[in-house]
Amino acid sequence: DTEVTQTPKHLVMGMTNKKSLKCEQHMGHRAMYWYKQKAKKPPELMFVYSYEKLSINESVPSRFSPECPNSSLLNLHLHALQPEDSALYLCASSQEGGAILEKLFFGSGTQLSVL
Amino acid sequence: EDQVTQSPEALRLQEGESSSLNCSYTVSGLRGLFWYRQDPGKGPEFLFTLYSAGEEKEKERLKATLTKKESFLHITAPKPEDSATYLCAVNMEYGNKLVFGAGTILRVKS
Repeated sequence: DTEVTQTPKHLVMGMTNKKSLKCEQHMGHRAMYWYKQKAKKPPELMFVYSYEKLSINESVPSRFSPECPNSSLLNLHLHALQPEDSALYLCASSQEGGAILEKLFFGSGTQLSVL
Repeated sequence: EDQVTQSPEALRLQEGESSSLNCSYTVSGLRGLFWYRQDPGKGPEFLFTLYSAGEEKEKERLKATLTKKESFLHITAPKPEDSATYLCAVNMEYGNKLVFGAGTILRVKS
């Protein structure tokens, strides 16, 4: 199984809503990532978890709250988002441990619209 | 400042017309350069990782090369199904952070 599964595929939420994005992988990877991608732009890194601990936070606003309950799961909790947060949110995973990053496996993403 | 620049922004080819995409970088301590393909509304799909100048990798009609300042993705005799956005990304000196270029949108017409 070389898949990263993201749910939901599409999400529409109001600015006062609370919602969560979910990501799951069963490749035994110990590093997991959240990226944000606006239309016609490259993915931008938000967070990196390594061995279930947050290792990189790219100065993301607190209305985005990541969580890594175990080595296979990654959540992104959303609260009081703004319309400009509308984007494709991508989850990825990779092997961890060692100096060489081989590759990231990406999920298909959650297309988020904030009204 | 670390930068990754891809050119051209968009490329239209006829089926069978070979060409190259460019990715130039100005990062310190490059630990790896990655090529991904992305279809609309989907996540990036891994193609290649290159680690050192002079390295080359091939997969079907694609060949990636790396120098100390840039990488090329050569597409030989492309087909319409090769149409996608091709993203270059670099892994810098620390951590597992990938920084992506803006991408090249490739359209191959039959």
